[in-house]
Amino acid sequence: EAQVTQNPRYLITVTGKKLTVTCSQNMNHEYMSWYRQDPGLGLRQIYYSMNVEVTDKGDVPEGYKVSRKEKRNFPLILESPSPNQTSLYFCASSLAGQGNYGYTFGSGTRLTVV
Amino acid sequence: EDQVTQSPEALRLQEGESSSLNCSYTVSGLRGLFWYRQDPGKGPEFLFTLYSAGEEKEKERLKATLTKKESFLHITAPKPEDSATYLCAVQDQAGTALIFGKGTTLSVSS
Repeated sequence: EAQVTQNPRYLITVTGKKLTVTCSQNMNHEYMSWYRQDPGLGLRQIYYSMNVEVTDKGDVPEGYKVSRKEKRNFPLILESPSPNQTSLYFCASSLAGQGNYGYTFGSGTRLTVV
Repeated sequence: EDQVTQSPEALRLQEGESSSLNCSYTVSGLRGLFWYRQDPGKGPEFLFTLYSAGEEKEKERLKATLTKKESFLHITAPKPEDSATYLCAVQDQAGTALIFGKGTTLSVSS
């Protein structure tokens, strides 16, 4: 089944403790991206990657890092999480040309930083 | 600056009561307008892509239309299982991001 898999689904952590949220896709998509979703603010892009070793900032990159060493994986790293990073996070992927299929989203990671 | 505005924020319908959701957008060169459905606690699920004014697409009880400044998602004879948040998005000119509206939460009661 074509899908984007995120782990973990839920995570509660403490301020300053480094964490990684994993994202993997099995569709051979070139493009991958991370979004966060907050009430009243909607979905906002954090980082994106057009292909292996090519990453760039989205609208809200502060406090986050990413890497793209393999085509299928695009982990999101929070080096020193803070409470304002409490949010629902989504990973998405697509073919570079988009086409008629849009982005495929993962099921989400709900992160709470206390 | 690219911008997407959806209205209404929330919509309550009776089963079978047809209605429309609105998505107005400002973008410098439309590369595509997308509609997604999102159920609580889940990721957005792709519904449609529209590329040019006058284009229409249908899927079951849903029909999406596009003009030069807005898109409509028409819901015909909705059922309770159509209850969800519907998101509209446009692709930015660089093709590197989707710009999302804040969504319309639809509740259909039987």
